[in-house]
Amino acid sequence: QQQVKQSPQSLIVQKGGISIINCAYENTAFDYFPWYQQFPGKGPALLIAIRPDVSEKKEGRFTISFNKSAKQFSLHIMDSQPGDSATYFCAAGYTGGFKTIFGAGTRLFVKA
Amino acid sequence: DGGITQSPKYLFRKEGQNVTLSCEQNLNHDAMYWYRQDPGQGLRLIYYSQIVNDFQKGDIAEGYSVSREKKESFPLTVTSAQKNPTAFYLCASSAEGRLNQPQHFGDGTRLSIL
Repeated sequence: QQQVKQSPQSLIVQKGGISIINCAYENTAFDYFPWYQQFPGKGPALLIAIRPDVSEKKEGRFTISFNKSAKQFSLHIMDSQPGDSATYFCAAGYTGGFKTIFGAGTRLFVKA
Repeated sequence: DGGITQSPKYLFRKEGQNVTLSCEQNLNHDAMYWYRQDPGQGLRLIYYSQIVNDFQKGDIAEGYSVSREKKESFPLTVTSAQKNPTAFYLCASSAEGRLNQPQHFGDGTRLSIL
């Protein structure tokens, strides 16, 4: 029940295309859903985060869509660029709980 | 610049040896975390600390130990009891762990076995 399932494991997208990464969770107590971006040899960095009182959050080319009833959320990267090539992790946590549960990661490669 | 500093960047361990990974933060954050990253497995929590002189086991604490004597420091020791220590280790901190604030990560230490 503490798992966050992330798919796909890897993704290849043409420059200018849309990258879509999906995550699903079971624990309905989760109330914080961040996405992290990690470049090789570096630590993850927060990209964008959402709480379940909204269904969508957009920051530049990055959008999180959240479906509370289905217990799913996804990251959309519009106009994908080669510089977006990285590993993306979805995660979930809940107020009062110190743990953040991470998905297994999606390795994105954007072809020039 | 505020941030998290992990050292060393690369570390090699001999059989039967304990090694200590350093993590220092100057963000004035209360909560600190240690994660282990293996290919295809995401980040797994080893230990976390909410305040000085207090820490809790995460999901894979066996073979590891930590201390939190100062707010800015949270070193991790990989003991000889950890039979498969080869991994990328990440330290993180957050302003208020209970409120699930974003975690800030260091750039990791890659540990290998000689």
